[in-house]
Amino acid sequence: QIVLTQSPSASASLGASVKLTCTLSSGHSSYPIAWHQQSPEKGPRYLMKVNSDGGHSRGDGIPARFSGSSSGSERYLTISSLQSEDEGDYYCQTWGTGFQVFGGGTKVTVL
Amino acid sequence: QVQLVESGGGVVQPGRSLRLSCAASGFIFNTYGIHWVRQAPGKGLEWVAFISYDGGDKYYADSLKGRFTISRDNSKSTLYLQMNSLRPEDTAVYYCATVEEPYSSSCVYSWGQGTLVTVSS
Repeated sequence: QIVLTQSPSASASLGASVKLTCTLSSGHSSYPIAWHQQSPEKGPRYLMKVNSDGGHSRGDGIPARFSGSSSGSERYLTISSLQSEDEGDYYCQTWGTGFQVFGGGTKVTVL
Repeated sequence: QVQLVESGGGVVQPGRSLRLSCAASGFIFNTYGIHWVRQAPGKGLEWVAFISYDGGDKYYADSLKGRFTISRDNSKSTLYLQMNSLRPEDTAVYYCATVEEPYSSSCVYSWGQGTLVTVSS
């Protein structure tokens, strides 16, 4: 069973950058992941998919300051030029035939 | 524009049943697989179930097998989740969500706004 591990929290100043990490469990380093954003009191929103080679594809309307990358079993989401509306929870997700798995989420605070 | 509207949530006693609906519009419903995902109060996201575009494939989270049933009516562009023998730990906001690509079982892509189910006596 695949497990996705995320740090519980991250913070950065307004206008700065923050890099979130999602780690795939051992033996699953080839899996792509998706990143989802959940603002306070709102439903989740798809941000992008990140492949094992670091290629990524943003969802419709997602600004370019959201980018993805990859290294081994780690998948990253970098948010540049942080804005106040970027505060919220960020979840990674992976999938296969018959299953979907979410990470525990990272709470991002904009200082 | 994709629109997914969940309904059917509410307060239900433990052991009872509830059926959720998800009305879809803005895309070709019968070409997309759809997921149910839930989120308990203050907790993270948990995948519940998936149904393929034609209803031929259905998958469930191991912890829910046997109690929940996913189905769809492509003539009505509507997805369902039948929940039986409900427990307090099933209390959550339930979201329906399409996959990214037609005829696939890929990641969650477009989300609904969710419907709250509270299981309590």
